[in-house]
Amino acid sequence: EPEVTQTPSHQVTQMGQEVILRCVPISNHLYFYWYRQILGQKVEFLVSFYNNEISEKSEIFDDQFSVERPDGSNFTLKIRSTKLEDSAMYFCASSERHTNTGELFFGEGSRLTVL
Amino acid sequence: GQNIDQPTEMTATEGAIVQINCTYQTSGFNGLFWYQQHAGEAPTFLSYNVLDGLEEKGRFSSFLSRSKGYSYLLLKELQMKDSASYLCAAWTDNAGNMLTFGGGTRLMVKP
Repeated sequence: EPEVTQTPSHQVTQMGQEVILRCVPISNHLYFYWYRQILGQKVEFLVSFYNNEISEKSEIFDDQFSVERPDGSNFTLKIRSTKLEDSAMYFCASSERHTNTGELFFGEGSRLTVL
Repeated sequence: GQNIDQPTEMTATEGAIVQINCTYQTSGFNGLFWYQQHAGEAPTFLSYNVLDGLEEKGRFSSFLSRSKGYSYLLLKELQMKDSASYLCAAWTDNAGNMLTFGGGTRLMVKP
């Protein structure tokens, strides 16, 4: 069964360092998303990506965040200068169609710990 | 803003039926998703309701009333492996298309 894969599964970094989280969405999917979940809190939308550009982003997704699809398979989230409050589980998701008609498939997540 | 409310925790007995409620106040509502999330794992899709009424899928059913801003997830013949968090999420297209999650209901199934 096709799945969304994410790397690394866990990353520990120092405050102020740049972090890149990687995702390989399901191959025939067209819509890509990043969500985050701070420990014990709700899953929060960060950004959606379609046709090689950001289609929507939340207030959380400020100038410190960027996304890229550098090739035909990877979808990355970059945090330029990490803060303590960026510590969270980051989930990548993809869907075949726009979400109001199709389910999201989530990856297993990348746990980011900022010290 | 978007507001989605669901109980924080519920406990039920193996073999029983449990109903997890979700109320939402959103604008630009398009549909309601239910996801299951085991601790430390990714959310997995359970159901999606666009129209009012009941959608049944095996042991799981989901109901939506758009006029009341209300949904529930019904789990029948509970199994121990159903112990997980159940996330209610609304898809809206107001101020951007996005899936907004509730805080999740942690269900504990006891023998």
